[in-house]
Amino acid sequence: AQKITQTQPGMFVQEKEAVTLDCTYDTSDPSYGLFWYKQPSSGEMIFLIYQGSYDQQNATEGRYSLNFQKARKSANLVISASQLGDSAMYFCAMREATYSSASKIIFGSGTRLSIRP
Amino acid sequence: EAGVTQFPSHSVIEKGQTVTLRCDPISGHDNLYWYRRVMGKEIKFLLHFVKESKQDESGMPNNRFLAERTGGTYSTLKVQPAELEDSGVYFCASSQGTRSGRRYYGYTFGSGTRLTVV
Repeated sequence: AQKITQTQPGMFVQEKEAVTLDCTYDTSDPSYGLFWYKQPSSGEMIFLIYQGSYDQQNATEGRYSLNFQKARKSANLVISASQLGDSAMYFCAMREATYSSASKIIFGSGTRLSIRP
Repeated sequence: EAGVTQFPSHSVIEKGQTVTLRCDPISGHDNLYWYRRVMGKEIKFLLHFVKESKQDESGMPNNRFLAERTGGTYSTLKVQPAELEDSGVYFCASSQGTRSGRRYYGYTFGSGTRLTVV
């Protein structure tokens, strides 16, 4: 069965520092996709970044990068040069069948990131 | 394009009452999903529509929850009668039904409906 684990319930980081949010996953399907979503205090879920299991390179989107270590089944999110607006809940998620947009995704328990000025 | 719209954004009801949540997906998105986050816990999958058909309703907690998607456009999620443990944030998401090679077609989430049962 699929499972996503986020072991950091909360983190505090100084503004402008880089931060790594941990995520490990478990699946028996060789084809899967990994996501990170941000949920600010306003409540909406904002898509940040996506990594397919067959993608050769780590995904990057602006200040976000995904450190994908397939053998370790880890998909950590790295935010470079953190900003006050990065304070939010961050969810790691997974979907089996990498290239299918129709499969459901499952979420980890989330990490609350707080950026200190 | 317009995003996924959910309303109401907040709802406070008494235990035993009925509440209906609505989700308008992005136009043309065949897939529509309902999720909920209860009491600050994990976000849990409830069900998945492909057009008007229920593809997967394995996450529906019990028969007090009824989801519909008549005509394959907007969807409603009715809770009847509501219980205290139903309080939480209910999210809707939609995605396209087609795929092209390695291109990723992701979910777009709505802003959620915060349901409080008192």
